[in-house]
Amino acid sequence: DAGVIQSPRHEVTEMGQEVTLRCKPISGHDYLFWYRQTMMRGLELLIYFNNNVPIDDSGMPEDRFSAKMPNASFSTLKIQPSEPRDSAVYFCASSPDRGSETEAFFGQGTRLTVV
Amino acid sequence: KQEVTQIPAALSVPEGENLVLNCSFTDSAIYNLQWFRQDPGKGLTSLLLIQSSQREQTSGRLNASLDKSSGRSTLYIAASQPGDSATYLCAVTTSGTYKYIFGTGTRLKVLA
Repeated sequence: DAGVIQSPRHEVTEMGQEVTLRCKPISGHDYLFWYRQTMMRGLELLIYFNNNVPIDDSGMPEDRFSAKMPNASFSTLKIQPSEPRDSAVYFCASSPDRGSETEAFFGQGTRLTVV
Repeated sequence: KQEVTQIPAALSVPEGENLVLNCSFTDSAIYNLQWFRQDPGKGLTSLLLIQSSQREQTSGRLNASLDKSSGRSTLYIAASQPGDSATYLCAVTTSGTYKYIFGTGTRLKVLA
């Protein structure tokens, strides 16, 4: 398996524009996570899905952020409108459902810069 | 609310030294704990997973221990090498959920 695949790797956009980040999880994994990493706050969980259903979105900072998982092999994180403070690295991760043996696998991340 | 702390925040050691990285968590009702490595500008690579019923895991020069009752884990790196230079992160999943809560990380530099 190619691992968790994220696109784009880098995104530069102007304030107010819509940004869509994409993720393809590892095939067969039941859980998908979206994280945001900044120097100030470290890695923060934004939202996670189980079998394509959002389970916990309490980490989504504002209504400007939304995430979808239309099928088991694809998820998007959308920011509309984007603001400079959204600049960060966004990671997608997936994991199988194996109880305490569950291990998370991360993508390479999308570095977002909002100017 | 689960909180995860890592000490030290940064560490610089000469090549060949054995070293210990620390991770502490506030809620001992965890499912498991995972140690990751992150190189600059890269994603996270899983190093070791310790299930809540286990005390330690080993992989090559790495050994991770878990003391659930005291809310602590340590990552021991033997005979450190310059290639070990990276940021090391620990993350825990709290029982009943699968979401990973991350520590603040330890930035390690091994000098040649």
